[in-house]
Amino acid sequence: GAVVSQHPSWVICKSGTSVKIECRSLDFQATTMFWYRQFPKQSLMLMATSNEGSKATYEQGVEKDKFLINHASLTLSTLTVTSAHPEDSSFYICSARGLAGVGVETQYFGPGTRLLVL
Amino acid sequence: DAKTTQPTSMDCAEGRAANLPCNHSTISGNEYVYWYRQIHSQGPQYIIHGLKNNETNEMASLIITEDRKSSTLILPHATLRDTAVYYCIVRGYGNKLVFGAGTILRVKS
Repeated sequence: GAVVSQHPSWVICKSGTSVKIECRSLDFQATTMFWYRQFPKQSLMLMATSNEGSKATYEQGVEKDKFLINHASLTLSTLTVTSAHPEDSSFYICSARGLAGVGVETQYFGPGTRLLVL
Repeated sequence: DAKTTQPTSMDCAEGRAANLPCNHSTISGNEYVYWYRQIHSQGPQYIIHGLKNNETNEMASLIITEDRKSSTLILPHATLRDTAVYYCIVRGYGNKLVFGAGTILRVKS
């Protein structure tokens, strides 16, 4: 149980284009979903938190107009990187929080999406 | 949420127990201790969590000191596939997970 999927697993795009990343909790309902970014040799950095049906809350320094988050249902969230530039190249990881059999709400992570902007 | 302190890196021989320490001296009474690990180029994997009692599951054991100011994650028989970055995170109920630098565990044959 407690599986979170992400799609695509990697993407290469041209500068100026937009990229959408999907995150799904496959076997539990996620009350809250999170998006993280990780640069090489660094730890995960939280970008935003979203609850189903409401606007995402962005961490300080994260541009909400650049990183659009939609949390359409209790099992699906999407992150759209708009007008991507090479500095947006990174490893994007989603996480879903819910009750999945361990007694307390726990966060589970997707496998990540590697984005390369040329 | 309380901050945690972990060693930067540790080595462990294959087949031996790996004991990963974590200091969380400012933890408050309603905060849980969570452990995750991240194998290279993958998303973090949930390992175990605890509040004040010791916990064990199929992956690991979590030993929390009586004063809750520190804990130890134990992988009883480390394998090469356990080589990863291990994160100890303290989180209050409903709060988000914030990752520190973690401990790089290298299991060697």
